[in-house]
Amino acid sequence: GQSLEQPSEVTAVEGAIVQINCTYQTSGFYGLSWYQQHDGGAPTFLSYNALDGLEETGRFSSFLSRSDSYGYLLLQELQMKDSASYFCAVGSTDSWGKLQFGAGTQVVVTP
Amino acid sequence: DTEVTQTPKHLVMGMTNKKSLKCEQHMGHRAMYWYKQKAKKPPELMFVYSYEKLSINESVPSRFSPECPNSSLLNLHLHALQPEDSALYLCASSQEYEQFFGPGTRLTVL
Repeated sequence: GQSLEQPSEVTAVEGAIVQINCTYQTSGFYGLSWYQQHDGGAPTFLSYNALDGLEETGRFSSFLSRSDSYGYLLLQELQMKDSASYFCAVGSTDSWGKLQFGAGTQVVVTP
Repeated sequence: DTEVTQTPKHLVMGMTNKKSLKCEQHMGHRAMYWYKQKAKKPPELMFVYSYEKLSINESVPSRFSPECPNSSLLNLHLHALQPEDSALYLCASSQEYEQFFGPGTRLTVL
């Protein structure tokens, strides 16, 4: 079976750094993705990690440790527009094409 | 063109109605998906089409019927839905690991 855990909510002030952790138990794991979703909007792709290490894309970075079944999304220089839900999602060779989403982390950015 | 389009944006239907949701992408992606999303919950996979063939059906009730007329189009036919089927229905497409989501159809079943 598959399971993912991520915190339900994180609150931080503008300009701060937030780390959203994601732990997973997935047979046939092949990659960890992150998606952002604003209220009323559609999920948008942020990053993908298939190998151990850090991937950086502007203010957002994502990390993966396959041996620890763990990853995180790092949001730097937080802006009000970063207030959204963030989902980690895993892909498995047990079911090609299917993404298993975590429950989501609501990030609230305050002035 | 790097977007997925969905129509209609909003749909209200009775339990005896038949309606269809439409999705279109022109990125040449080989895989297309239907998801259902309830408020404050993650997207829940319903169907996956790969190269126009149904590859995954997540045990979805038969009142939801997907169709892939060609590589750019994906439909979801709805019939005899229940009020608990009210949700945001998202279409997505992908070529590799990144899924591109459409804006969704917000469905209300009365």
